Amino acid sequence: KAGVTQTPRYLIKTRGQQVTLSCSPISGHRSVSWYQQTPGQGLQFLFEYFSETQRNKGNFPGRFSGRQFSNSRSEMNVSTLELGDSALYLCASSFKTGQDNEQFFGPGTRLTVL
Amino acid sequence: SQQGEEDPQALSIQEGENATMNCSYKTSINNLQWYRQNSGRGLVHLILIRSNEREKHSGRLRVTLDTSKKSSSLLITASRAADTASYFCATGDTGRRALTFGSGTRLQVQP
Repeated sequence: KAGVTQTPRYLIKTRGQQVTLSCSPISGHRSVSWYQQTPGQGLQFLFEYFSETQRNKGNFPGRFSGRQFSNSRSEMNVSTLELGDSALYLCASSFKTGQDNEQFFGPGTRLTVL
Repeated sequence: SQQGEEDPQALSIQEGENATMNCSYKTSINNLQWYRQNSGRGLVHLILIRSNEREKHSGRLRVTLDTSKKSSSLLITASRAADTASYFCATGDTGRRALTFGSGTRLQVQP
């Protein structure tokens, strides 16, 4: 069974631009969660989508948004990029929604904002 | 925000030795999970222990959970160089739908 895939793997943007990251979950998984990982803040939860609906949202500004398609693929968008948005963005999929499940992580997208 | 605080932040041992990492948390939880992350890559799930369980084993891994002390430990026995990675605990907090990750322990196993 193919794992979670994320594209692109690396991205360089400048301040003020916007970016879209993509995540394809494991086949059959309907929940996709997004996390931001930085050296200073560690792993922080962004949001979770299940069956095309946002089920949970972390404490991030509205510049961070996401969506999920009918095939469970998910995209995350960050508008008006700031230097502090430089991070590894990880998505994770699971069969069910909620935190009581093993999550399968993708390799991440490393975003650098210049 | 970080819920789990892991101790130690970094650990260096020789191959064949045991490695113990600890995680403390602050709120009531439904479950606690341990993940491993190789440098700059995605996380790999290791083990999930529920709040009504005290100990769980998986291969060379042993996890304990003490809900009265709000702490958990991960023991890796007979460590190998391939165990070199960062290890994170993640709590499934009561009333929250998302996992909250700790700050991680960087384990270096010297061959």
